[in-house]
Amino acid sequence: GENVEQHPSTLSVQEGDSAVIKCTYSDSASNYFPWYKQELGKRPQLIIDIRSNVGEKKDQRIAVTLNKTAKHFSLHITETQPEDSAVYFCAASTNTGFQKLVFGTGTRLLVSP
Amino acid sequence: SQTIHQWPATLVQPVGSPLSLECTVEGTSNPNLYWYRQAAGRGLQLLFYSVGIGQISSEVPQNLSASRPQDRQFILSSKKLLLSDSGFYLCAWSGKTARVYEQYFGPGTRLTVT
Repeated sequence: GENVEQHPSTLSVQEGDSAVIKCTYSDSASNYFPWYKQELGKRPQLIIDIRSNVGEKKDQRIAVTLNKTAKHFSLHITETQPEDSAVYFCAASTNTGFQKLVFGTGTRLLVSP
Repeated sequence: SQTIHQWPATLVQPVGSPLSLECTVEGTSNPNLYWYRQAAGRGLQLLFYSVGIGQISSEVPQNLSASRPQDRQFILSSKKLLLSDSGFYLCAWSGKTARVYEQYFGPGTRLTVT
């Protein structure tokens, strides 16, 4: 089955710096890659996703890149702000009709003022 | 727009007691539904998923069970809780077409087994 590895487990940056979180997946049939942000005690919130027919997607300060050949995808956050502090989870899915996500283990991002 | 509800929000139960958590979705029909558990400081573990009424698939064998008595209702149950059942239980839904493909989580139920 699919296996998703996520690095780093923790990431500390200064406000205004960029942050990059990387994930690798094992199943070459995976075709959907969402990223979730989870603040302390809250539900995971979908922040951006990418499908295997594109290599990059951007939404304001966040972007996701996908390298299908290497089977890895990354989340990029520019101009970080303290409110970006949270745990970020990547995931991968192989089906379009039924979406069974396999999650990474999470990255705790701390943005210091 | 679609909304997902879960209740109760928090629950404290003694070991050996039964459990019933409920999840309902509004604003969509025939959704895929999911139950996840998140232990403190950990990742998301898929417990059950359902593609339709009465159709339940289990991912992890344990003392929990799930049921889908109605199209937009998903219930997580246990006959006897264990200490290891403590955690944050999240229900999620997704559509079946590309237009509503993404998976969205409910607010969760925080369960403490004492």
